[in-house]
Amino acid sequence: SQKIEQNSEALNIQEGKTATLTCNYTNYSPAYLQWYRQDPGRGPVFLLLIRENEKEKRKERLKVTFDTTLKQSLFHITASQPADSATYLCASISGGYQKVTFGTGTKLQVIP
Amino acid sequence: GAGVSQSPSNKVTEKGKDVELRCDPISGHTALYWYRQRLGQGLEFLIYFQGNSAPDKSGLPSDRFSAERTGESVSTLTIQRTQQEDSAVYLCASSSLGGTSRYEQYFGPGTRLTVT
Repeated sequence: SQKIEQNSEALNIQEGKTATLTCNYTNYSPAYLQWYRQDPGRGPVFLLLIRENEKEKRKERLKVTFDTTLKQSLFHITASQPADSATYLCASISGGYQKVTFGTGTKLQVIP
Repeated sequence: GAGVSQSPSNKVTEKGKDVELRCDPISGHTALYWYRQRLGQGLEFLIYFQGNSAPDKSGLPSDRFSAERTGESVSTLTIQRTQQEDSAVYLCASSSLGGTSRYEQYFGPGTRLTVT
């Protein structure tokens, strides 16, 4: 069955460093991958979308890659700040009506 | 409206009672999604509406769960004979048609359901 996984439940990094989060998918080929941010007690907020034929997408301090050979997306936050601390969710879009499947999330903690 | 709204924000109910959760999407958004998020877990897809039709109901956990949508506006998720395992945050999201923005989901704040 198709599966999307985020390997790390939690990631702690020092302020100013680059945070890298991983999302892997198996048994299917999504047309798009997305990344969302979720703060405690709130709904997820859309950050970036990347198509299967795009290698990389950037938005301010955020960068997303899509590697169809490795079946993986990496999400980078450069010059991380304590305000970046949150749970980050990846989501895939696939199928006839473009079904969205979410990973379980990685909780990022940026330490001052 | 400014964003997706959901009501109630919190609901405590006794096991066996029925509950109805409401979602008001962003005006003009044709797609509407319901998800369930248990404590510390990811989002579990429940159902998707395109307009008032539901092409995918595959995520509904049992026949106790049902959802409907009026046109391209309000949606209600109904859980009958609630069980303790139904306790979770129920999130609603909407998205518009047109280009890749149709995949950008705007989420409401969720309804926290507690079944005692």
